[in-house]
Amino acid sequence: EVQLVESGGGLVKPGGSLRLSCAASGFTFSNAWMSWVRQAPGKGLEWVGRIKSKTDGGTTDYAAPVKGRFTISRDDSKNTLYLQMNSLKTEDTAVYYCTTVARVIRPWGVYNWFDPWGQGTLVTVSS
Amino acid sequence: DIQMTQSPSSLSASVGDRVTITCRASQSISSYLNWYQQKPGKAPKLLIYAASSLQSGVPSRFSGSGSGTDFTLTISSLQPEDFATYYCQQSYSSSMYTFGQGTKLEIK
Repeated sequence: EVQLVESGGGLVKPGGSLRLSCAASGFTFSNAWMSWVRQAPGKGLEWVGRIKSKTDGGTTDYAAPVKGRFTISRDDSKNTLYLQMNSLKTEDTAVYYCTTVARVIRPWGVYNWFDPWGQGTLVTVSS
Repeated sequence: DIQMTQSPSSLSASVGDRVTITCRASQSISSYLNWYQQKPGKAPKLLIYAASSLQSGVPSRFSGSGSGTDFTLTISSLQPEDFATYYCQQSYSSSMYTFGQGTKLEIK
């Protein structure tokens, strides 16, 4: 069974740092592209960033609101994805979900979607 | 950046109704469009990928259509378990994914 389990959430003061982890099982993690998506209380889904597999370069991309403050990394030997969050702001308060970027290659293009998702971990930034 | 706009933002319907939710992209995204369902306190669940492909295990009353800038999610006959919030998401740009703002489907 494919499973993603996030951990590391909690209460942190503005300007502080926090590292989230996502433990993956049930699939070949090293081949997977992975993403973080967040959801502020009562709000919609917001993509945070993505890391490609090392085979595909291991590169990262980030949404504008977190670029330069958040860093996504992976440890394929531990089947674990990370989100290092620095210079946290109150507006970073959200449930953070880890998700796999599923891909299918067709002759006319490569389709991506998010599946499966972890259960989420709550990050609260408050003084 | 590609902006995704869903309509309506909320919708009241009854069990058995046919419901359509629309999603519009700020530029053409071909068929790089996915739909998710989210229930309160739960992670989102993939329903439709590549605009019209039904995810395995998702009931056939769900369908997706569209290409370019205009897309629809249709539920042919609402069931009690379908009351939830629905999101579209573009994957045309794999370096900058974006979601619609969501459509909350409520019981009339």
